[in-house]
Amino acid sequence: GAVVSQHPSWVICKSGTSVKIECRSLDFQATTMFWYRQFPKQSLMLMATSNEGSKATYEQGVEKDKFLINHASLTLSTLTVTSAHPEDSSFYICSAPLSGRASYEQYFGPGTRLTVT
Amino acid sequence: AQSVTQPDIHITVSEGASLELRCNYSYGATPYLFWYVQSPGQGLQLLLKYFSGDTLVQGIKGFEAEFKRSQSSFNLRKPSVHWSDAAEYFCAVGVPGGFKTIFGAGTRLFVKA
Repeated sequence: GAVVSQHPSWVICKSGTSVKIECRSLDFQATTMFWYRQFPKQSLMLMATSNEGSKATYEQGVEKDKFLINHASLTLSTLTVTSAHPEDSSFYICSAPLSGRASYEQYFGPGTRLTVT
Repeated sequence: AQSVTQPDIHITVSEGASLELRCNYSYGATPYLFWYVQSPGQGLQLLLKYFSGDTLVQGIKGFEAEFKRSQSSFNLRKPSVHWSDAAEYFCAVGVPGGFKTIFGAGTRLFVKA
């Protein structure tokens, strides 16, 4: 089956610094990837849609300048949390649909736990 | 707007007992429906999906779900629960046109010996 990886799996950073999270589709090409945020014991909230070769589409209420998304290739999307603050601490998950399939089925990465101190 | 409701925040069942997790959706047309499972600190794994056709869908790990249009429901079932099934379960609706997925709040399953 399709595999999506994320790196790092967990990261601790100091307040004010920036953190980059990578999302890779390992055995398929993904023109679209999605970034979700999940607070403890809560559901996934879609943050943005990452589009290869073009700007990301952000959901309402998500700060574009704070959560920078780059989708430079068909297998890699990155999420950079800029000037991180403790309230940005969360579990970040990416997903990707299989290219060419209008099935809306998503393949999820294992997630990245971010802790900002 | 599309929405997904999972009315049970958590459910506890005994190992070997049957399980049913409820899911109701709000959508103007025939939806694409999914059930995902998430183990602690992990990403989501697809259990099963419904797009069209037979309303009883079989998935992995012995799970099944039934689409009932009249009730706007897509409940997940398993005849005999194993301790390894303890996890968070999410029902989701696929949004046409943009590949977006709307998730329910999740139901945490506890399995007691």
